[in-house]
Parts: sequence; structure tokens; C-alpha cells
Amino acid sequence: GESVGLHLPTLSVQEGDNSIINCAYSNSASDYFIWYKQESGKGPQFIIDIRSNMDKRQGQRVTVLLNKTVKHLSLQIAATQPGDSAVYFCAELIFLYNKLIFGAGTRLAVHP
Amino acid sequence: NAGVTQTPKFRVLKTGQSMTLLCAQDMNHEYMYWYRQDPGMGLRLIHYSVGEGTTAKGEVPDGYNVSRLKKQNFLLGLESAAPSQTSVYFCASSTRGGSGNEQFFGPGTRLTVL
Repeated sequence: GESVGLHLPTLSVQEGDNSIINCAYSNSASDYFIWYKQESGKGPQFIIDIRSNMDKRQGQRVTVLLNKTVKHLSLQIAATQPGDSAVYFCAELIFLYNKLIFGAGTRLAVHP
Repeated sequence: NAGVTQTPKFRVLKTGQSMTLLCAQDMNHEYMYWYRQDPGMGLRLIHYSVGEGTTAKGEVPDGYNVSRLKKQNFLLGLESAAPSQTSVYFCASSTRGGSGNEQFFGPGTRLTVL
């Protein structure tokens, strides 16, 4: 079936290092790809999205890269901070069906 | 603005009991969604609504019903709760048009069915 998945369930990084969280997807018809951050006990929070016809988009300290050839999406966080510790989800949006399909999530642990 | 709010925050039910989860948003959003999140998994869409008076099924609609009588409210009902419905339930809302990608999530309702 069509799904969005993640390579690594847990990522541990040192404070100040750059983090890269990866995601594989299988649906070529997706219109947008989106990254969400979920802190413990809270709902997901939108971080950044990228349209399917783009390959890179930058935000504040975050960059999303999209490689449609290999159906791979990544989230890069620069100068990772303790406050970045959370579970990160990639999701794909298909306008036709008007819904998000979420991956399983990657836990990012930032150590001092 | 309160954003998206959910009530209750926690609930414990016995098998066969019914309950309604309430979601409210004050951002005048057209779209509203109900998701469930099970341990170690991403969110799965239960039902959604693209406007007042309309609802549609998501990925996992069985055992749930919804209603959108007012634009700002989206109700999720469990008619006869089952242990498999033990989960954390999140409501979300979003605007229509534009990228429409930013869904705003509520804080979640933790439901346990015994």
C-alpha cells in the first residue's frame, strides 16, 4: 500500500551539531511533503513543508530536501538545541484526497 | 486566540460505553480533522470535514462517527467503545486554499478503554 516511512527510529546528537532526519515515501502523487515536530504530551506542530515540484526549501535553522528520484525526504536542523528534542514526523499531502498520511516518526535526542 | 482545544484531556471507559470528544477552533478554519495516535506510530486519520455540515471518512473510520454542525466544532463519537480504541486522539484544523498545509493540532485526548 501507499505509505510514508522513516529510516531511523531514534537519532542522538550533541548540542550544537547538525541533525538530519530521513524519510522515505512511496506515493508519487503527493502534492506536498511536510515535517511536524511533536513534543511529549503535545500535539504535532508544523515545521516546514515543500511542494512536490521543488527539491529544497529553507526555514529558520531548518532545511527540507526532496529527492523524487529515490522518493526520499530529509529534514536538516542546524546547530541542534536541547529544545529540538522531540519526535519528528514526515507526512505527505495529496490534494485529491485532501488528507495527510503520516510516517511513524523519528525521536531526536539532543545531549549537552 | 485559544487555537484548537479538545475536551476532555483524559478519559477511561469500559468496553461498550459511549462517549463524545469535542474539538473547537477559533481560527475560522474550514477544514477539521480527527486523528488517532498509537504508541510508536504516526497519526492516522479517522474522519475529516471540509466545511460545516460535511464529513468524510479517513483511513480508519470504523467504530467512530463525527458531526460538524457548527464551523468551529467537530465532534468525534464512539458508540460502543472497544479496547482497540485505546489511543491518543488529536483534532486539527486548517484553512482552505493556498498551500493549506499547516494543520493546527489540539493538545490531544488520552482515551483508555478497559
